[in-house]
Amino acid sequence: GAGVSQTPSNKVTEKGKYVELRCDPISGHTALYWYRQSLGQGPEFLIYFQGTGAADDSGLPNDRFFAVRPEGSVSTLKIQRTERGDSAVYLCASSQNPRALQETQYFGPGTRLLVL
Amino acid sequence: AQKITQTQPGMFVQEKEAVTLDCTYDTSDPSYGLFWYKQPSSGEMIFLIYQGSYDQQNATEGRYSLNFQKARKSANLVISASQLGDSAMYFCAMNSGGSNYKLTFGKGTLLTVNP
Repeated sequence: GAGVSQTPSNKVTEKGKYVELRCDPISGHTALYWYRQSLGQGPEFLIYFQGTGAADDSGLPNDRFFAVRPEGSVSTLKIQRTERGDSAVYLCASSQNPRALQETQYFGPGTRLLVL
Repeated sequence: AQKITQTQPGMFVQEKEAVTLDCTYDTSDPSYGLFWYKQPSSGEMIFLIYQGSYDQQNATEGRYSLNFQKARKSANLVISASQLGDSAMYFCAMNSGGSNYKLTFGKGTLLTVNP
């Protein structure tokens, strides 16, 4: 079956613009996660969805960041009034059973966002 | 709070030799999981191996094994018989019983396999 897919693969925008990043999880996975990976760093947790609801959005850096998953499958990460510091790779992951410690999260290839 | 430390920014190994990538962790939760992921230049994070805090034996998956030393809070990845395709960034990560959906990653180690 297909893995996690993310679009676009690259996005260049200007400071102050609005961007949307899309994630299509593995079919049947109820849990979806967004992480952000800055240059030279490991991924950092942003938000976790169980079904349609955001179960934990504690990693979102500020109120310019918002994510939705209206039908419990595809998710969109939305960034308003982008800043140069938002430049990073945004990774999406999905899993079947997030309640299990050993549950593997499967990652997509990421969206590389560059804010000029 | 949990923390992962990877002290080796880069490592070199000759093809067909074994290499150990270091990882130490910190958490106050007695129940936790440790993961290793590989990230090639394409960017996708590929799951390699998992070790649970209550597992009695070290985890193994093919050429990958995890040297788990609980008292020292270390979870080193051992790659045996290195291949050129093993050249990539390697990340150690953990979750804990309090929020087991949330992975905390280290900064990674860049492994280069020389022919």
